[in-house]
Amino acid sequence: DTEVTQTPKHLVMGMTNKKSLKCEQHMGHRAMYWYKQKAKKPPELMFVYSYEKLSINESVPSRFSPECPNSSLLNLHLHALQPEDSALYLCASSQGSGQINQPQHFGDGTRLSIL
Amino acid sequence: GENVEQHPSTLSVQEGDSAVIKCTYSDSASNYFPWYKQELGKRPQLIIDIRSNVGEKKDQRIAVTLNKTAKHFSLHITETQPEDSAVYFCARGTTDSWGKLQFGAGTQVVVTP
Repeated sequence: DTEVTQTPKHLVMGMTNKKSLKCEQHMGHRAMYWYKQKAKKPPELMFVYSYEKLSINESVPSRFSPECPNSSLLNLHLHALQPEDSALYLCASSQGSGQINQPQHFGDGTRLSIL
Repeated sequence: GENVEQHPSTLSVQEGDSAVIKCTYSDSASNYFPWYKQELGKRPQLIIDIRSNVGEKKDQRIAVTLNKTAKHFSLHITETQPEDSAVYFCARGTTDSWGKLQFGAGTQVVVTP
């Protein structure tokens, strides 16, 4: 019953490859998020989009490039990643209503391995 | 941002007993406190949340309490079942950083039959 859909589920890539992670939601949410989660650790916020505009970048390296083509889609473009970037990448969405924090709903994630 | 301290890191309970996880914070701007359950290999799933204008919230076997004065909030699971076994994360949001949740380190809960 996951309402936030992420593709692919698994991705193995070399350090010189370019790939993209995709996230889609059809709940009418106007805020979308990218998180990184290492094993046995909590999710770490990377980016927040509110009404298709980047509102938070948690000092993420430029080899990660987010994109929000429309209110339902969120992409994360990857280039020249390092082995330490191997992790579970989670997308989440929430209602974008003013300044009140709203429940964030997560997708199943993309498990990324960098060779 | 400031950390959310979560305790204990692991919790083993007998089926049918209660489990309690506590989180503390120091930022007075904190006003939103969700709890997530993450089973092995699965996504974090929101199980309950509470806002700073409420002291307690309950949903069947799960309850959350908030003590704003002491700056701590707790998750209570009653009549635990084996399917409650998972990692539980507390988190907090603030009035001055919309959309930014800060998570606790997590609690591994094991319910033994």
